[in-house]
Amino acid sequence: DQQVKQNSPSLSVQEGRISILNCDYTNSMFDYFLWYKKYPAEGPTFLISISSIKDKNEDGRFTVFLNKSAKHLSLHIVPSQPGDSAVYFCAASLYTSGTYKYIFGTGTRLKVLA
Amino acid sequence: SAVISQKPSRDICQRGTSLTIQCQVDSQVTMMFWYRQQPGQSLTLIATANQGSEATYESGFVIDKFPISRPNLTFSTLTVSNMSPEDSSIYLCSVEGFLRAEAFFGQGTRLTVV
Repeated sequence: DQQVKQNSPSLSVQEGRISILNCDYTNSMFDYFLWYKKYPAEGPTFLISISSIKDKNEDGRFTVFLNKSAKHLSLHIVPSQPGDSAVYFCAASLYTSGTYKYIFGTGTRLKVLA
Repeated sequence: SAVISQKPSRDICQRGTSLTIQCQVDSQVTMMFWYRQQPGQSLTLIATANQGSEATYESGFVIDKFPISRPNLTFSTLTVSNMSPEDSSIYLCSVEGFLRAEAFFGQGTRLTVV
């Protein structure tokens, strides 16, 4: 049972345009949501997170939107740059068994075209 | 942010053998986490390693197959035992950041079992 889903395996966007990466989840007990970026041969790098009590969090070119009623979040990158080309993972945090655990989606490969 | 060093970065191993992956963190942390990312899949939590106690394994993972050591607050090892080709994956070490919902990852160990 995949509790965090990224239904788009890949996305291509022109440089300077907006990239929108989507993520859906099923568990209403998740308290934080995170986005990670992963380049080949590197570990995932934390990008931005949002608390479940918020609906928006912004950090520079990156904004995450949360729609709790739809159990949906999205990452907006504006403007997109070729260096943003990577795999993006959505993750959700759940407090269980005395610690916070993270459940990841399968990732979306973003390609920003110059 | 925490700096995490993982060794080896990659290895090709014969089936039936074991491989030990090391994870070194540049600061003391209470919890260390081990993940697996199979080809085309999401990151899946194998176990949580708390210094001074037995690791806690997630459903589907057992200590005999993935023994973990946590001798101090900056170091952990994960052993993949009696390997089969199905164990071919990227194995990642992770620690919690200082802020809530902010986890850091090592660069990963790409394991190929032949």
